[in-house]
Amino acid sequence: GQNIDQPTEMTATEGAIVQINCTYQTSGFNGLFWYQQHAGEAPTFLSYNVLDGLEEKGRFSSFLSRSKGYSYLLLKELQMKDSASYLCAVMDSNYQLIWGAGTKLIIKP
Amino acid sequence: GAVVSQHPSRVICKSGTSVKIECRSLDFQATTMFWYRQFPKQSLMLMATSNEGSKATYEQGVEKDKFLINHASLTLSTLTVTSAHPEDSSFYICSAFKGSENTEAFFGQGTRLTVV
Repeated sequence: GQNIDQPTEMTATEGAIVQINCTYQTSGFNGLFWYQQHAGEAPTFLSYNVLDGLEEKGRFSSFLSRSKGYSYLLLKELQMKDSASYLCAVMDSNYQLIWGAGTKLIIKP
Repeated sequence: GAVVSQHPSRVICKSGTSVKIECRSLDFQATTMFWYRQFPKQSLMLMATSNEGSKATYEQGVEKDKFLINHASLTLSTLTVTSAHPEDSSFYICSAFKGSENTEAFFGQGTRLTVV
């Protein structure tokens, strides 16, 4: 079956760095997405990785290793507004998105 | 950037009535749109894939006759919840991929449906 695993909850301190991991097992691979979702709102696109390596976008970076079925989202200089759920999703061979359950990130002052 | 507009954002309806939710891609053509449902504190669950000009593809366990999907144009897909019941109360979200390479998905704002 298809499976996406990510931690349920993480806590970090304002100004610090946090890494959210995601491992996956899917039928085919056409890219991995990271989304941010605040409570009661629709997800917002953060990043897309299809090749191995690190993609950097400002305070957010995303890494992919296809051979290991592994990705992480790195958030630097954490701000209180970064408190949200972070969803990892993989596009399978049918171009369907397989979603992880999300990681709730709590930022403390 | 590309925008997907979903309407309404909130709706309250009585049991037994039907509710239509619209999803529009405002500045791009979307041959494929996706409808998701999200229960509190849970991840998104794909309900169906909506293809312009053809029948939607429903995920296992999703009732086709209850959740009617119509994708009549390249910029509009609608989800109609028929004969709504309180257990249908949920957050419904649509999304569409921009471009042929499907590298970026855009989401509507979501619709919070409450059936009383």
